[in-house]
Amino acid sequence: KQEVTQIPAALSVPEGENLVLNCSFTDSAIYNLQWFRQDPGKGLTSLLLIQSSQREQTSGRLNASLDKSSGRSTLYIAASQPGDSATYLCAVAVPKAAGNKLTFGGGTRVLVKP
Amino acid sequence: EAQVTQNPRYLITVTGKKLTVTCSQNMNHEYMSWYRQDPGLGLRQIYYSMNVEVTDKGDVPEGYKVSRKEKRNFPLILESPSPNQTSLYFCASTQGGVAGRNNSPLHFGNGTRLTVT
Repeated sequence: KQEVTQIPAALSVPEGENLVLNCSFTDSAIYNLQWFRQDPGKGLTSLLLIQSSQREQTSGRLNASLDKSSGRSTLYIAASQPGDSATYLCAVAVPKAAGNKLTFGGGTRVLVKP
Repeated sequence: EAQVTQNPRYLITVTGKKLTVTCSQNMNHEYMSWYRQDPGLGLRQIYYSMNVEVTDKGDVPEGYKVSRKEKRNFPLILESPSPNQTSLYFCASTQGGVAGRNNSPLHFGNGTRLTVT
């Protein structure tokens, strides 16, 4: 059974510092991996999707890497801003034969201090 | 505007009183799914649907029902709610499935906070 872990559960950094968020998964047979952002009282917003054949994806200040063999993904947020404060979740998609579903990590709650 | 709409946003009910949480998407997505989010347990899938009249159980389907009579709607039904179903519920949709041919991201609604007393 696929398990997804995000450590640490919470992180506090001063504004301007780069953020490094970690995601690990136990089964490398994934179809893709997604990073989401969740603001309090809101739903999840997709940030980046990395296909299993890709090593990284970039969008603005965000860069996500994927290493299937080691079961790890890292989300980098450059030059953090107070508006980046939120909970970040990663999720892996298993192939259709295994249920065509996402398994989520527990999330990392980020606070960027002005 | 492309969106997933859930209603209601907040719901307080009593044990055993049937309720329905509605979910609608305007993106013509094939795949729709329901999740619940609980402290310490994260997001867990309840049911999902690959297309009209095609539904399947997720990880925690007990106590829930769903239907997919139209492509845009995917209601979640609690026939006899119990206090352990108190949770934050999310509906989500995507084109082609989370492991589908398009590899498109999952779009979430804003959530329904349910309290069962």
